Amino acid sequence: SQTIHQWPATLVQPVGSPLSLECTVEGTSNPNLYWYRQAAGRGLQLLFYSVGIGQISSEVPQNLSASRPQDRQFILSSKKLLLSDSGFYLCATPQGLAGGPSDTQYFGPGTRLTVL
Amino acid sequence: GQNIDQPTEMTATEGAIVQINCTYQTSGFNGLFWYQQHAGEAPTFLSYNVLDGLEEKGRFSSFLSRSKGYSYLLLKELQMKDSASYLCAVRDLGGYSTLTFGKGTMLLVSP
Repeated sequence: SQTIHQWPATLVQPVGSPLSLECTVEGTSNPNLYWYRQAAGRGLQLLFYSVGIGQISSEVPQNLSASRPQDRQFILSSKKLLLSDSGFYLCATPQGLAGGPSDTQYFGPGTRLTVL
Repeated sequence: GQNIDQPTEMTATEGAIVQINCTYQTSGFNGLFWYQQHAGEAPTFLSYNVLDGLEEKGRFSSFLSRSKGYSYLLLKELQMKDSASYLCAVRDLGGYSTLTFGKGTMLLVSP
């Protein structure tokens, strides 16, 4: 089975500062990778997904960008954070889980970002 | 696009049964998922329906009616540890397994 690591676990950043969140996956090669955000009062929102190195699809135009520099590494970045960027950022990859299809979304532990 | 509605909050008593409803309007449908999310943690997969009917998994069951755009999650013999947010999500017809989530239903189980 696969394991997702996210770093850091929590982060407090001032408005206007840069951001870099990292997601790494173990136990698989060339996985599809996804970034979701969960903001207060809103559902989980898909931000980006990647089907391979250097391949990024953006779902929502915004202040963020993503990169896939290595097969099992997915980076979420921003040049200047906004207050509205606060939220719980989750990295995900498809995995066969009991009772689900082979591409059930499996989530990493998340990074909680607070922008002040 | 997708629009998914579920109640914001529900309360129930330990040992009881609770049903959490989810309605959706979609431009394409390729399965409905339920996830459980405890406070401060990542969502964990609970159940999946792609055909009409009931799927049972221990104390948890999930039902789907595609013609009505409706699903429910049924939790039996509630325990305190079932206090969590329950997320309904729909997968579209694209080939990349992307999900659209509802805002979640916060369930509080009291003694």
